[in-house]
Amino acid sequence: NAGVTQTPKFRVLKTGQSMTLLCAQDMNHEYMYWYRQDPGMGLRLIHYSVGEGTTAKGEVPDGYNVSRLKKQNFLLGLESAAPSQTSVYFCASTENTGELFFGEGSRLTVL
Amino acid sequence: RKEVEQDPGPFNVPEGATVAFNCTYSNSASQSFFWYRQDCRKEPKLLMSVYSSGNEDGRFTAQLNRASQYISLLIRDSKLSDSATYLCVVKDPTGGFKTIFGAGTRLFVKA
Repeated sequence: NAGVTQTPKFRVLKTGQSMTLLCAQDMNHEYMYWYRQDPGMGLRLIHYSVGEGTTAKGEVPDGYNVSRLKKQNFLLGLESAAPSQTSVYFCASTENTGELFFGEGSRLTVL
Repeated sequence: RKEVEQDPGPFNVPEGATVAFNCTYSNSASQSFFWYRQDCRKEPKLLMSVYSSGNEDGRFTAQLNRASQYISLLIRDSKLSDSATYLCVVKDPTGGFKTIFGAGTRLFVKA
């Protein structure tokens, strides 16, 4: 079972570069989320989606954009990367049971 | 005040010990509560949901105290494999399906 798959798993960017993280889930879940996790801090919600074609801002949306064109995919974009965006990014999905299913994480370093 | 607060620890305990973690939440309208476990450099995984009546799963017991707005996790007969970070999670009751994470409590179980 694939579950939630994130790509890429590792990436190094230079300040000002752009990139897209892809999250794909095969559980037919309606709800998908992007979190970032920094040392000593919990997961902070960046953006989330309650269904295909919908997105909403979380706690820390600045500097990020998202799209949910297909139910199974949730894309997180960085238009102009900054060192403050160095973090581990987790995607998660749920079918409103409360349990979140996470991907393995994407480790991003911005130099 | 943070929405979900946990003692960051670390808790260092010997094998076989009993250890308890508490977590407080600020929104009295919160309805759903969970404990997740996160191993080093891995994604969080659901450990157990927390029900109003309390619930037990083997060596793990979770309890909810709505009056004081805290949830707890008790681990009995600690094993080396219990070493991890334990995340307290509260579901946003406003209907946006946002799930709010505490910063986590680190547990080290030593032989």
